[in-house]
Amino acid sequence: DQQVKQNSPSLSVQEGRISILNCDYTNSMFDYFLWYKKYPAEGPTFLISISSIKDKNEDGRFTVFLNKSAKHLSLHIVPSQPGDSAVYFCAASGGLKTSYDKVIFGPGTSLSVIP
Amino acid sequence: SQTIHQWPATLVQPVGSPLSLECTVEGTSNPNLYWYRQAAGRGLQLLFYSVGIGQISSEVPQNLSASRPQDRQFILSSKKLLLSDSGFYLCAWSRQGQPQHFGDGTRLSIL
Repeated sequence: DQQVKQNSPSLSVQEGRISILNCDYTNSMFDYFLWYKKYPAEGPTFLISISSIKDKNEDGRFTVFLNKSAKHLSLHIVPSQPGDSAVYFCAASGGLKTSYDKVIFGPGTSLSVIP
Repeated sequence: SQTIHQWPATLVQPVGSPLSLECTVEGTSNPNLYWYRQAAGRGLQLLFYSVGIGQISSEVPQNLSASRPQDRQFILSSKKLLLSDSGFYLCAWSRQGQPQHFGDGTRLSIL
């Protein structure tokens, strides 16, 4: 049973436009959410996170929105650049409640930004 | 600053052979350590995590084992590899409540 879902395996966006990557989760105990970016043959790189006490967190071109009632979060990239082309993983944890960071990852969405 | 090293980058092994992948972290002490596997077209599956020396927890039953002989060293092993062990193996470290930081991974191919 997937606790973190990314229902779009891939997404193509024109350079300069907005990229919106979506993520849904099922476990209401999750209180910390993260997005990672991964290039081929490399490890994932932490991008941005949000705790459940917030509904928005912004870092430069990247903004994460959290809708707790819908158990949904999204990552917005504005404007999209060709270098943003990568696989994006959504992840969730009950980080504040546990002694270790057991993070559950979604299956990933492959973003292609077309020049 | 903290860095994580994982080697080898790629490995081709015959079925039935043993495996040892090593991960070391520098610049921090008593980190939480993790082994993940990413199968082709799939997400990241947590295999093992460790909160201290000699403390290993397994998330899924499998053909692999993990050990933490030193504070910043995490080893993934197998006595006999199966075809299904092929994949991309990632080591990660974290502090409690902080994002995990990943190594560059090992591409393991079983023939």
